[in-house]
Amino acid sequence: NAGVTQTPKFRILKIGQSMTLQCTQDMNHNYMYWYRQDPGMGLKLIYYSVGAGITDKGEVPNGYNVSRSTTEDFPLRLELAAPSQTSVYFCASSYPQGAAAYSYNEQFFGPGTRLTVL
Amino acid sequence: GENVEQHPSTLSVQEGDSAVIKCTYSDSASNYFPWYKQELGKGPQLIIDIRSNVGEKKDQRIAVTLNKTAKHFSLHITETQPEDSAVYFCAASEGNTPLVFGKGTRLSVIA
Repeated sequence: NAGVTQTPKFRILKIGQSMTLQCTQDMNHNYMYWYRQDPGMGLKLIYYSVGAGITDKGEVPNGYNVSRSTTEDFPLRLELAAPSQTSVYFCASSYPQGAAAYSYNEQFFGPGTRLTVL
Repeated sequence: GENVEQHPSTLSVQEGDSAVIKCTYSDSASNYFPWYKQELGKGPQLIIDIRSNVGEKKDQRIAVTLNKTAKHFSLHITETQPEDSAVYFCAASEGNTPLVFGKGTRLSVIA
């Protein structure tokens, strides 16, 4: 298994440009997530999905869009890139484990995409 | 919603010494507490986790403790080695809700 893969690894955008960050997982996980990581600020959730066709906003969704047409793929779209979106973006996936009362999600992360908006 | 505080933000220890990182959480309904290690240029990797039905878990040199009453949990690394140098994140969640992460601790192990 390749796990969670992300492309591209690095990208430089000009203000106002758009792009799609790709994320694919081959573990048949039904949950997928997008985080951004700013220096010294930890990981903040942008969007997540609990299955194909279902997406939901996280803590910092403004300026981003997602779609989930298949179990494997969860692309993140940036429209009208702004300098504030300069960050490292991580995709993750998980599946529910444990009995109902103690169910939890162990998340597996991809290697990240470093995005700079100038 | 859940809020996770993590301390310290940086930690330097001599090789062979122990390192302790502490986190507090706000939502008493949270029941899953993982710890991730992030090496430079890589994504976070799970190193140990604990659920609310246990108070302590150990895996070789790494241990995690949970105090549900005080709503805090800690990571303990014994006999630290240079390869333990990394950024460590704690997180918390309730059931299948997304993890909420602390801001991270940069651990430096000095040889």
